[in-house]
Amino acid sequence: DTAVSQTPKYLVTQMGNDKSIKCEQNLGHDTMYWYKQDSKKFLKIMFSYNNKELIINETVPNRFSPKSPDKAHLNLHINSLELGDSAVYFCASSQDWGDSTDTQYFGPGTRLTVL
Amino acid sequence: SQQGEEDPQALSIQEGENATMNCSYKTSINNLQWYRQNSGRGLVHLILIRSNEREKHSGRLRVTLDTSKKSSSLLITASRAADTASYFCATDGGSARQLTFGSGTQLTVLP
Repeated sequence: DTAVSQTPKYLVTQMGNDKSIKCEQNLGHDTMYWYKQDSKKFLKIMFSYNNKELIINETVPNRFSPKSPDKAHLNLHINSLELGDSAVYFCASSQDWGDSTDTQYFGPGTRLTVL
Repeated sequence: SQQGEEDPQALSIQEGENATMNCSYKTSINNLQWYRQNSGRGLVHLILIRSNEREKHSGRLRVTLDTSKKSSSLLITASRAADTASYFCATDGGSARQLTFGSGTQLTVLP
């Protein structure tokens, strides 16, 4: 069974469009994250949610809006897509917030290409 | 600024050889983790070492931590082709709130 799943796996779209990426975890974790991995494989935290509440917003443009309908889901909506948004987006989850010894479990990633 | 930086950026070895990757970081930490990423996949946790530990083993993995030098190394012994992946260190920057990842070392193990 997949622990952290993301859809879609690939997303190709035109500049200016609005798109969403969905993430679900079946691990019963309280904390979920969105990361962006650029072409040089640098992985940067974007958002963190704990029990559906936003904890971290790392200077991400407000075109990016995460939404957590429940603890098991954290979706990412992106408005007015720009070329620089092209990257691989990873969802992850961990058991709890505030314990950095927690292992983070990553989804398979969504490769977003903005044309 | 980037907390963890791996060195080398790329490493190519023959199957059976040992692979050593290094990670340097800037601020104090509570612990440091290593993750592996296979091509086109998400990251998978390998091992965690706490700031009061100097060495830790898990199977063919050996991790060392030198907090005075703010550096860690990951040694993979008797490497296999299946070890081909990118390896990332992640630090908590002394805060329990989030992990900061480096840009990884791309390891290629040739059969």
